[in-house]
Amino acid sequence: DTGVSQDPRHKITKRGQNVTFRCDPISEHNRLYWYRQTLGQGPEFLTYFQNEAQLEKSRLLSDRFSAERPKGSFSTLEIQRTEQGDSAMYLCASSLSQGAGTEAFFGQGTRLTVV
Amino acid sequence: GESVGLHLPTLSVQEGDNSIINCAYSNSASDYFIWYKQESGKGPQFIIDIRSNMDKRQGQRVTVLLNKTVKHLSLQIAATQPGDSAVYFCAETKKTSYDKVIFGPGTSLSVIP
Repeated sequence: DTGVSQDPRHKITKRGQNVTFRCDPISEHNRLYWYRQTLGQGPEFLTYFQNEAQLEKSRLLSDRFSAERPKGSFSTLEIQRTEQGDSAMYLCASSLSQGAGTEAFFGQGTRLTVV
Repeated sequence: GESVGLHLPTLSVQEGDNSIINCAYSNSASDYFIWYKQESGKGPQFIIDIRSNMDKRQGQRVTVLLNKTVKHLSLQIAATQPGDSAVYFCAETKKTSYDKVIFGPGTSLSVIP
């Protein structure tokens, strides 16, 4: 257990439905990251927060995706009007400070299946 | 564009042997590299990192080698154990965006007891 928890662990939804995932980082970590991982591939960066500010978003994060971290603690990732191509593992990570050499701790992920 | 890739998608080694996992990167601007281990059902776990001003860095049973001339990175695991069985990812970042980590596609390491 890394201390980063994600909920739910698994989610099956019908195409067109909205889903929301939650990430609780390690409490003193000010940086929080979201990644998406498909089978056999490495995680792909989606976005990250420093405290409550969303500082960077990937081109992968279409208009249907939105992430929030309202109080600088937990974060939510919402996908609207889900598509089958959204099926993936969604990983959250947190770290204490910026810069190279700062270890990020990953949660176990939320596996989304869109049917 | 930016990409980080691996030469071998799968690797099987005998317990006790040394393992070498290779990685190629294409972005000359990358100056920080990380190896992650991902076990089934878990998120990636940091193993070891190296900055571009270094050629080699050693950890406990692991060594990372960086060859900037040919943009090549390798992870050496000494005396491989069954618990080392996992998928290994190399990843890169650059000074202008250390928080945006770009992962390669991964190598699956299987340790034969």
